[in-house]
Amino acid sequence: AQSVTQLDSQVPVFEEAPVELRCNYSSSVSVYLFWYVQYPNQGLQLLLKYLSGSTLVKGINGFEAEFNKSQTSFHLRKPSVHISDTAEYFCAVRYDSGNTPLVFGKGTRLSVIA
Amino acid sequence: KAGVTQTPRYLIKTRGQQVTLSCSPISGHRSVSWYQQTPGQGLQFLFEYFSETQRNKGNFPGRFSGRQFSNSRSEMNVSTLELGDSALYLCASSLVLAYNEQFFGPGTRLTVL
Repeated sequence: AQSVTQLDSQVPVFEEAPVELRCNYSSSVSVYLFWYVQYPNQGLQLLLKYLSGSTLVKGINGFEAEFNKSQTSFHLRKPSVHISDTAEYFCAVRYDSGNTPLVFGKGTRLSVIA
Repeated sequence: KAGVTQTPRYLIKTRGQQVTLSCSPISGHRSVSWYQQTPGQGLQFLFEYFSETQRNKGNFPGRFSGRQFSNSRSEMNVSTLELGDSALYLCASSLVLAYNEQFFGPGTRLTVL
């Protein structure tokens, strides 16, 4: 079965420190990759996406992610976090032709400590 | 441009009742997807509609159903509610293609007592 694994359920990090949130997906010929953020009592907001082309993708709020096909990973990074980055982060994948539903990881709770 | 709207935002029902949730996509978007979010299971796909046709369905019992109207607005219905149906139900819309960015609404928080 196609699956998405977010290796860390919770990540505490001090303000202005770098952070990496890890995401691995089950292998497939083609994938479309997404990172979403969810703030308390809100829906999901797209941070960035990889559809094709450059494997390094830049998104909003200073986040970036790198698609690594050989390791089937799509890790999210930010060089310096702020208190306002405290939220739940979800990695999501669409497999194959693209006419398939998004498969979400379980989420990673990022807590930024002052 | 207005975002995805969902009504109601909060709902409390008792076991055995039925409920209907509504979603209005962003103007011009023709695809609407529904997800159930719970602490234990995370985000699970319910179904996706495009041009009033269901084109994908997740692994949920038949108590969960949906439809889409000609103006792209969508509703989902849950009949014979169970305690385990308590969740945040999220609706997302996208322009046309499946891999387009999905824009999510704020969700409907359903509590079943």
